[in-house]
Amino acid sequence: ETGVTQSPTHLIKTRGQQVTLRCSSQSGHNTVSWYQQALGQGPQFIFQYYREEENGRGNFPPRFSGLQFPNYSSELNVNALELDDSALYLCASSSIFTEAFFGQGTRLTVV
Amino acid sequence: GIQVEQSPPDLILQEGANSTLRCNFSDSVNNLQWFHQNPWGQLINLFYIPSGTKQNGRLSATTVATERYSLLYISSSQTTDSGVYFCAAPSVTDSWGKLQFGAGTQVVVTP
Repeated sequence: ETGVTQSPTHLIKTRGQQVTLRCSSQSGHNTVSWYQQALGQGPQFIFQYYREEENGRGNFPPRFSGLQFPNYSSELNVNALELDDSALYLCASSSIFTEAFFGQGTRLTVV
Repeated sequence: GIQVEQSPPDLILQEGANSTLRCNFSDSVNNLQWFHQNPWGQLINLFYIPSGTKQNGRLSATTVATERYSLLYISSSQTTDSGVYFCAAPSVTDSWGKLQFGAGTQVVVTP
């Protein structure tokens, strides 16, 4: 059974650019959630995808968007990057009403 | 949405000491998870505990759902226990996958 994997592990982007982060869910899971963790804070829910559809969204602007693919892997896209988008981005996979497991994260730096 | 509060915010322990971390939540929950975040940022699952008591080695957790709190016990602490501990839960009225995290407890175990 494979765990949750995220890519890339680190990324540096310039303000105004666009970025795509990727997540492969754990075998047997059909739900992926994305979180943003700023330095010194707890993770904040961005959105969740269940069966390829968005199923809940946190307080993030529309320039944060996502996709889930038929194999349940997922992408997080962020347009028009701002300096405040610098954070650790975490992906979690689960099945409905079950324990969530997290990937190792992608550390994004916007300069 | 649900509010999750953790205490204490910081904890310094000498190796071998015992400690209790607390998590209070403002609404009814269907599940609650405890995580340990390692220095590289990965969230390691400790417990999935919507109610009752569970033990895993030197760690144990108790959730009293009717009183809206959970406790994480660390016994005979080791330096490898250092890191940030988070509890997280979704409200029953919210998207089932939307974990609300507390601000965390930073634990430092000294030799």
